[in-house]
Amino acid sequence: EAQVTQNPRYLITVTGKKLTVTCSQNMNHEYMSWYRQDPGLGLRQIYYSMNVEVTDKGDVPEGYKVSRKEKRNFPLILESPSPNQTSLYFCASSLSQGSYNSPLHFGNGTRLTVT
Amino acid sequence: AQSVAQPEDQVNVAEGNPLTVKCTYSVSGNPYLFWYVQYPNRGLQFLLKYITGDNLVKGSYGFEAEFNKSQTSFHLKKPSALVSDSALYFCAVRDSSNTGKLIFGQGTTLQVKP
Repeated sequence: EAQVTQNPRYLITVTGKKLTVTCSQNMNHEYMSWYRQDPGLGLRQIYYSMNVEVTDKGDVPEGYKVSRKEKRNFPLILESPSPNQTSLYFCASSLSQGSYNSPLHFGNGTRLTVT
Repeated sequence: AQSVAQPEDQVNVAEGNPLTVKCTYSVSGNPYLFWYVQYPNRGLQFLLKYITGDNLVKGSYGFEAEFNKSQTSFHLKKPSALVSDSALYFCAVRDSSNTGKLIFGQGTTLQVKP
């Protein structure tokens, strides 16, 4: 089954403790992206990757890192989480960034709470 | 700046009645528009898109959307609502910067009552 898999689904952590949210897709998609969802704000892009070893900042990249060493994986790293990063996070992928006929496929989300 | 607006936080409709979820957009260049649905504890699922062509676009689960260039709108519609349609709906437009980014509206909760 074609899918985007995120782990963990739920995560509660404390301020400053490094964490990684994993994302993997099995559709051989070139393009991957991370979004955060906050009430009243919709979804905002954190980082994106057009292909292996090619990543760039989205609209809200502060406090986050990503890497794209393999085509299928795109982990999101919070080096020193803070309470304002408490949010619902989604990983998404599509065939390529320029393919308008290829919609984004989303994972089921990771609900992160930073205390 | 490009943006998407969903003017209603919540839409309530009775089962069997037609539904409309509103969306307006502001973009430079041609708009590439999408609707997604989010069920509780799930990711966003693609419903339909407008790239070019007919202004009435048909999508999954009986939903359709009408593109209106003069009113810069892309309203989501369904002729007969089901209780199972209750969910959070997002309108989005593809950013013109060729980064693949989608710009999302704030979302509209659809509540269909029996």
